[in-house]
Amino acid sequence: AQSVAQPEDQVNVAEGNPLTVKCTYSVSGNPYLFWYVQYPNRGLQFLLKYITGDNLVKGSYGFEAEFNKSQTSFHLKKPSALVSDSALYFCAVRDMGDSSYKLIFGSGTRLLVRP
Amino acid sequence: KAGVTQTPRYLIKTRGQQVTLSCSPISGHRSVSWYQQTPGQGLQFLFEYFSETQRNKGNFPGRFSGRQFSNSRSEMNVSTLELGDSALYLCASSLARRGVTNTGELFFGEGSRLTVL
Repeated sequence: AQSVAQPEDQVNVAEGNPLTVKCTYSVSGNPYLFWYVQYPNRGLQFLLKYITGDNLVKGSYGFEAEFNKSQTSFHLKKPSALVSDSALYFCAVRDMGDSSYKLIFGSGTRLLVRP
Repeated sequence: KAGVTQTPRYLIKTRGQQVTLSCSPISGHRSVSWYQQTPGQGLQFLFEYFSETQRNKGNFPGRFSGRQFSNSRSEMNVSTLELGDSALYLCASSLARRGVTNTGELFFGEGSRLTVL
């Protein structure tokens, strides 16, 4: 069975500092991996995805994520956090062998960037 | 290009009633998925439709149903509402192009917030 773990309910960082939001996954086959962000009372916005190829994936708003197959991790990173990055972040996985587009989401990590 | 449109955005129902939520996907997108988001359970997959056929279904009771029309628009219905059905219901669409490896990233609407009293 597929699963995603986001071990931190909340991450606190100061503006200008680097940030990392952790994600580990479990799938039976090869994964497609995604990060989404959700602002209050809004839907989810797509940030980036890993399909294949380079382990470092760049996405929207200066975010990037590093895929590590041996550790089954896909951590979200940003070199310099902004107060406006404060939001709820979700990691998601889809098994490449799954013909449907069902995504399994982690429980979410609330990022709080203080001025 | 217009995004995923969900209606209504907010609604209040009482226990035992039924509700229908509507979703219009991004133009050209053929796959529509529905998710339920609650503080306790997080994001849970309800079902996915592709070319008017349900392709996958989550672990929800039969009170939850959906359908997709020939123009890819989708509706979901919840009958005999319970207090625990209060949630944000999110619709997402995906391109699903024939003959192409589809990575399946989803594009979400703003959601329909259902409150059951």
